[in-house]
Amino acid sequence: GENVEQHPSTLSVQEGDSAVIKCTYSDSASNYFPWYKQELGKGPQLIIDIRSNVGEKKDQRIAVTLNKTAKHFSLHITETQPEDSAVYFCAARTDKLIFGTGTRLQVFP
Amino acid sequence: DGGITQSPKYLFRKEGQNVTLSCEQNLNHDAMYWYRQDPGQGLRLIYYSQIVNDFQKGDIAEGYSVSREKKESFPLTVTSAQKNPTAFYLCASSISGGRGNQPQHFGDGTRLSIL
Repeated sequence: GENVEQHPSTLSVQEGDSAVIKCTYSDSASNYFPWYKQELGKGPQLIIDIRSNVGEKKDQRIAVTLNKTAKHFSLHITETQPEDSAVYFCAARTDKLIFGTGTRLQVFP
Repeated sequence: DGGITQSPKYLFRKEGQNVTLSCEQNLNHDAMYWYRQDPGQGLRLIYYSQIVNDFQKGDIAEGYSVSREKKESFPLTVTSAQKNPTAFYLCASSISGGRGNQPQHFGDGTRLSIL
């Protein structure tokens, strides 16, 4: 079955810097890759997603890239702000969503 | 507002007791899901339902049961057979299930603890 690995597990950046979180997946049939942001005590919130027929997608300060050949995809956050601090999860889907283990991002003022 | 409502936010279970977690959605979504989240781990799928009166086991269904009698409701029962039930439980829904690439939207979870 599908396996998703996510790195790093923790990431600390200075406000205004960029943050990059990387995920790899094992099943080449995966065709949908969402990213979620989870704040303490809350459920995950979808922040951006990408489908396998697209290589890159951008929404303001957030972008996701997908390399189907290498089977990896990445989340890029530019101009980070303290409110970006949260746990971020990647996921890959064939017939069901398989989640990575999460990255705790801390943005220091 | 449209969304997914999970209740209660906190729940305590005694040994040998069954408890039921509620999940209601008013998004008119066909598919609903239950996940378990443990510290330092990703979300793991317990059960899912693609349509009313139908549901399938996920990766960690043992010790859990569900029903889907109404489109908007997908309650999860944690039975006494689940030996390690302490976790954060998340309910999600999407417009459709199967291999469709529809986003899943989550509720704010129920934290279950053992007394």
